[in-house]
Amino acid sequence: GESVGLHLPTLSVQEGDNSIINCAYSNSASDYFIWYKQESGKGPQFIIDIRSNMDKRQGQRVTVLLNKTVKHLSLQIAATQPGDSAVYFCADPMDTGRRALTFGSGTRLQVQP
Amino acid sequence: GAGVSQSPSNKVTEKGKDVELRCDPISGHTALYWYRQSLGQGLEFLIYFQGNSAPDKSGLPSDRFSAERTGGSVSTLTIQRTQQEDSAVYLCASSEPGEQPQHFGDGTRLSIL
Repeated sequence: GESVGLHLPTLSVQEGDNSIINCAYSNSASDYFIWYKQESGKGPQFIIDIRSNMDKRQGQRVTVLLNKTVKHLSLQIAATQPGDSAVYFCADPMDTGRRALTFGSGTRLQVQP
Repeated sequence: GAGVSQSPSNKVTEKGKDVELRCDPISGHTALYWYRQSLGQGLEFLIYFQGNSAPDKSGLPSDRFSAERTGGSVSTLTIQRTQQEDSAVYLCASSEPGEQPQHFGDGTRLSIL
């Protein structure tokens, strides 16, 4: 079936290093992707999004890359900080009128001081 | 500005009791979604409201689950005769009509004893 999933359950990085979180998708018709960050006890927080007519989008310290050929996207966080520690989800609005989100199981980013 | 507000933040109840969870979306957001997140899992879509249209209830897991949205704003998710497998975080999200991204509340953590 269609799915949006993440490659690794946990990613541990040193403070100040760059982080790369990967996500694969299977629906070639997907035209929009969103990255969310979820801290413990909180709801998912929007980070950045990208439409399929782009292959790169930058925000503050974050960059999302989209490779439609291999159906892969990644979230890059520059100069990772302790406050970046959280679970990160890539989300793909379902290709229906309601556009509900499908989430993978997430990648837990642990930032070591 | 005010984000999505959910109450209560935590709810502990006995098996077989009914519970009501409340969501107050961002002002002006006509699209409202309920999701369920089990421990360490991604999101499971439950129900979608868009303006005055009939809600999309296709994600509700059983007829014990129902939801209402009054006046196009506040929504209530009701679970009747709760079971232990209903224990989860129930998240509400809202967005502008037909638009993304969705903005989430911090959820209600429901524990069924």
